[in-house]
Amino acid sequence: SQTIHQWPATLVQPVGSPLSLECTVEGTSNPNLYWYRQAAGRGLQLLFYSVGIGQISSEVPQNLSASRPQDRQFILSSKKLLLSDSGFYLCAWSVGGFNEQFFGPGTRLTVL
Amino acid sequence: QQQVKQSPQSLIVQKGGISIINCAYENTAFDYFPWYQQFPGKGPALLIAIRPDVSEKKEGRFTISFNKSAKQFSLHIMDSQPGDSATYFCAARMVGNKFYFGSGTKLNVKP
Repeated sequence: SQTIHQWPATLVQPVGSPLSLECTVEGTSNPNLYWYRQAAGRGLQLLFYSVGIGQISSEVPQNLSASRPQDRQFILSSKKLLLSDSGFYLCAWSVGGFNEQFFGPGTRLTVL
Repeated sequence: QQQVKQSPQSLIVQKGGISIINCAYENTAFDYFPWYQQFPGKGPALLIAIRPDVSEKKEGRFTISFNKSAKQFSLHIMDSQPGDSATYFCAARMVGNKFYFGSGTKLNVKP
């Protein structure tokens, strides 16, 4: 069966520090991978979308970047965090030809 | 521009009542409409979904009604239970597996 992992689960970082969040998927090949951000009490904002290794689509211009160094690994990064980067970051995957999208457990990021 | 508009933002229902959450979209290229349930501190989980060639889909106490001409769809939770208290998101999928989400509805079922 397929599983998706995200780490860390929680993170507190100072303004101006770098960020690296990792997401890995097991049990499937060539998944579509997604990064979403959910601000407190808000909906899901699609940040990045990837259909394959090295293929990244950015949905919202911002202080973040994403990379996909391996088929089932998706990384969200920032060189310098802003206060506004605080939120709940969710990684998700889907497989072409099937409808469902599945979410990871999320990372709660607090920037102080 | 928000691709999927969801209402209400919050909803309080008595145990045993019917919870109704509505969503609307504009883009006719959407081809799949899922609903997700999210508990605090957790990732959203797929609850039920529908394709636009079907007007209704029922799974247990959860029903999606879909009105293609009006470009609206809704989630009905029958016999609502306190355990249903969560945030619910509607979503729409574009060809190519890109998903757009509504802003969420926080449901509180009173015992």
